[in-house]
Amino acid sequence: KQEVTQIPAALSVPEGENLVLNCSFTDSAIYNLQWFRQDPGKGLTSLLLIQSSQREQTSGRLNASLDKSSGRSTLYIAASQPGDSATYLCAVRRNYGQNFVFGPGTRLSVLP
Amino acid sequence: DTGVSQNPRHKITKRGQNVTFRCDPISEHNRLYWYRQTLGQGPEFLTYFQNEAQLEKSRLLSDRFSAERPKGSFSTLEIQRTEQGDSAMYLCASSRLRSTGRVETQYFGPGTRLLVL
Repeated sequence: KQEVTQIPAALSVPEGENLVLNCSFTDSAIYNLQWFRQDPGKGLTSLLLIQSSQREQTSGRLNASLDKSSGRSTLYIAASQPGDSATYLCAVRRNYGQNFVFGPGTRLSVLP
Repeated sequence: DTGVSQNPRHKITKRGQNVTFRCDPISEHNRLYWYRQTLGQGPEFLTYFQNEAQLEKSRLLSDRFSAERPKGSFSTLEIQRTEQGDSAMYLCASSRLRSTGRVETQYFGPGTRLLVL
């Protein structure tokens, strides 16, 4: 059974810092991995999708890497801003059409 | 608005009552998923449809839960005889299965927050 963990559970940083969020999964036979953002009481917004054959994806200040063999992914946020404050969720999908298995999330607070 | 919509956004009910939630997916999406999210946790998969066919159900989906997608468009999730443990955010997502067999990413709705008193 696939299990996804995320470290740290919560993180508080001053504005402007670069930071790294970590995601680990137990079964490396994944189809893809996706990072989501969730604001309090809201649904999920997709940030970055990495296919199993890819090593990283970038979008603006965000960079996500994938090391499938070791079961790890990192989300790097450059020059953090207060608007980045949210919960960041990592999710893996095993094969075509299968549901996501989510991690518990990292709750990020960026202080002005 | 062409995103996934869910109604109601909030529902408060008393234990033992039945509740029904609705999800309207993105119009061209043939796959629809339901997830449940409790406080401080990531979403957990409940069930998914391809068109009107329910293809998979999680063990989390007890007999009190039933989901339908009668015309392959919107979907409903009903919980009968609600219990306090059913209090959670219920999220719907949709995606498209292409003729090539490739499934595109899932787009999530805003969720329905259920509180059972």
